[in-house]
Amino acid sequence: DIQMTQSPSSLSASVGDRVTITCRASQKINRYLNWYQQKAGKAPKLLIYGASFLQSGVPSRFSGSGAGTDFTLTISYLLPEDFATYYCQQSYTHWTFGQGTTVDMK
Amino acid sequence: QVQLQESGPGLVKPSETLSLTCTVSGVSINITTYYWSWIRQPPGKGLEWLGYVYYTGATNYNPSLESRVTISVDTSKNQFSLKLTSLTAADTAVYYCARDQFSRGYYFLDYWGQGNLVTVSS
Repeated sequence: DIQMTQSPSSLSASVGDRVTITCRASQKINRYLNWYQQKAGKAPKLLIYGASFLQSGVPSRFSGSGAGTDFTLTISYLLPEDFATYYCQQSYTHWTFGQGTTVDMK
Repeated sequence: QVQLQESGPGLVKPSETLSLTCTVSGVSINITTYYWSWIRQPPGKGLEWLGYVYYTGATNYNPSLESRVTISVDTSKNQFSLKLTSLTAADTAVYYCARDQFSRGYYFLDYWGQGNLVTVSS
């Protein structure tokens, strides 16, 4: 299995902050990396696919980068609705998810 | 619009088999760029992909669960289903069905059901 490791596991931030979450794969996965946002009691929502393609309808303050083993999700300006848990997921083979990063209010 | 809805029991006994169905509306399950996945999430924990099925019936499973998982498709009903055998308390989770889209050379889960909480307990 390809292991996905996110860091940090949690972070505290304020509205207006720039937030960066990283995801590392245990082997090279090209750009087969997706990012999801999940709020309490809800299904995950796709934000980014193919490492950097913004899903339709997702605000442009979300962006993704990276290739190979190291990837980043950036929220350029944190809004109140962005407090949530974020997951990376590899779609190279037998999909696996990172453990999640919870963004809460400082 | 595209909607997915899980249906099935909320409580199952240990050692029994879980059967869940996902009904898809707003899109045909036959479209060639779509795969249909099951994902689960134990309470307070992360996400685990169980596997997917293609409209032809072809499947791809999580190797750690492959001996216990069967995913099938019924194109006439626009549904796909999950069977998970030999249940234990560790299988207690919210089970999600999702559409796995193939676009621009990438796979991604773009539509999800609301989830079905399954508790394994006697």
